[in-house]
Amino acid sequence: KNEVEQSPQNLTAQEGEFITINCSYSVGISALHWLQQHPGGGIVSLFMLSSGKKKHGRLIATINIQEKHSSLHITASHPRDSAVYICVSGNTPLVFGKGTRLSVIA
Amino acid sequence: NAGVTQTPKFQVLKTGQSMTLQCAQDMNHEYMSWYRQDPGMGLRLIHYSVGAGITDQGEVPNGYNVSRSTTEDFPLRLLSAAPSQTSVYFCASSLAGNTEAFFGQGTRLTVV
Repeated sequence: KNEVEQSPQNLTAQEGEFITINCSYSVGISALHWLQQHPGGGIVSLFMLSSGKKKHGRLIATINIQEKHSSLHITASHPRDSAVYICVSGNTPLVFGKGTRLSVIA
Repeated sequence: NAGVTQTPKFQVLKTGQSMTLQCAQDMNHEYMSWYRQDPGMGLRLIHYSVGAGITDQGEVPNGYNVSRSTTEDFPLRLLSAAPSQTSVYFCASSLAGNTEAFFGQGTRLTVV
């Protein structure tokens, strides 16, 4: 059974800080998703990646398939980045991490 | 192209009532699934389908039924609602295999 672990569970940062959220999984997969969920809101897909690195604006996601590990980085964090970030194993059926709750303080 | 349409957004039920959460996608995705999200638990898989006419149980299937008569629709039925089913429900779809997943807006269900 694939298990997806995220760390940290909660994270508070000052505006402008560089943020890293980590994700590890137990079963080899060929792709991994990063999702964003704002309070009371729906779920938005940020990245799907199967190797290397992807960048979208201030967000960067990396994955190491051999080490079964992925990271999500946010550069120059802003209060609007406050949300829950969820790592998801890309194999169907999807397996979700419990999420990292990020609060960015101005 | 509307993506994944999930209704209703909010619902309050009395214990023992039945209801159906609707999920529809217009992307011709084979794979559709239902999840519930509870505090501290993350999203847990209820039921999933890999194509029309095919459904299977996930991690927490008890108290829920599904059917997949068409590629587009994957409704989730609560036959006799219980307070333990108070949760936020999400529907998702994707092409089979490791492709991008799309999510509905979520349904906040309260059973009193």
